[in-house]
Amino acid sequence: NAGVMQNPRHLVRRRGQEARLRCSPMKGHSHVYWYRQLPEEGLKFMVYLQKENIIDESGMPKERFSAEFPKEGPSILRIQQVVRGDSAAYFCASSLSGKNTEAFFGQGTRLTVV
Amino acid sequence: QQQVKQSPQSLIVQKGGISIINCAYENTAFDYFPWYQQFPGKGPALLIAIRPDVSEKKEGRFTISFNKSAKQFSLHIMDSQPGDSATYFCAARNDYKLSFGAGTTVTVRA
Repeated sequence: NAGVMQNPRHLVRRRGQEARLRCSPMKGHSHVYWYRQLPEEGLKFMVYLQKENIIDESGMPKERFSAEFPKEGPSILRIQQVVRGDSAAYFCASSLSGKNTEAFFGQGTRLTVV
Repeated sequence: QQQVKQSPQSLIVQKGGISIINCAYENTAFDYFPWYQQFPGKGPALLIAIRPDVSEKKEGRFTISFNKSAKQFSLHIMDSQPGDSATYFCAARNDYKLSFGAGTTVTVRA
């Protein structure tokens, strides 16, 4: 009965590199959300995806960030040409359906840009 | 723009004492108000939640009080234990999107 699985748990990237964060939702869940947590702050919504569809990406920075949730495999949050300000904890959550259902969070990926 | 304001930023309480964390919101479209507990290096875990048609909800030592007219809600942790030392986040949901407060770090001294 695995929960939401995120990997890697920790990721170090040099400025200008790409970061790929993976999220496998709970079994049976087809709705995935990504949130970002900056130091000393609460989580901020980034994007909501269903299988093969982006439903809401209103919280995603316009450049360098993209997300996908393919038919097979985990959801991927991709950050191109990382900068120091991208250093944060990135959390994925999943839910059974989109509206009015509980979302369960993974343990997060801590991204450090050096 | 913070949609949910949380206070205090941190608090220290003696073992057996009461911890109180307050949150306020503006958006009346929010229809579900969860509280999350987060330990260092872990993801947020749902602790307790309330809907706006209820003024209070209690689960064990944790109680949410909700004031719809004031657009405020609070978490009370009774008989605080060292294992309760964590960061607590209030949140408010509109449809599928959660808006989080900035968090309160609670330290329970033995």
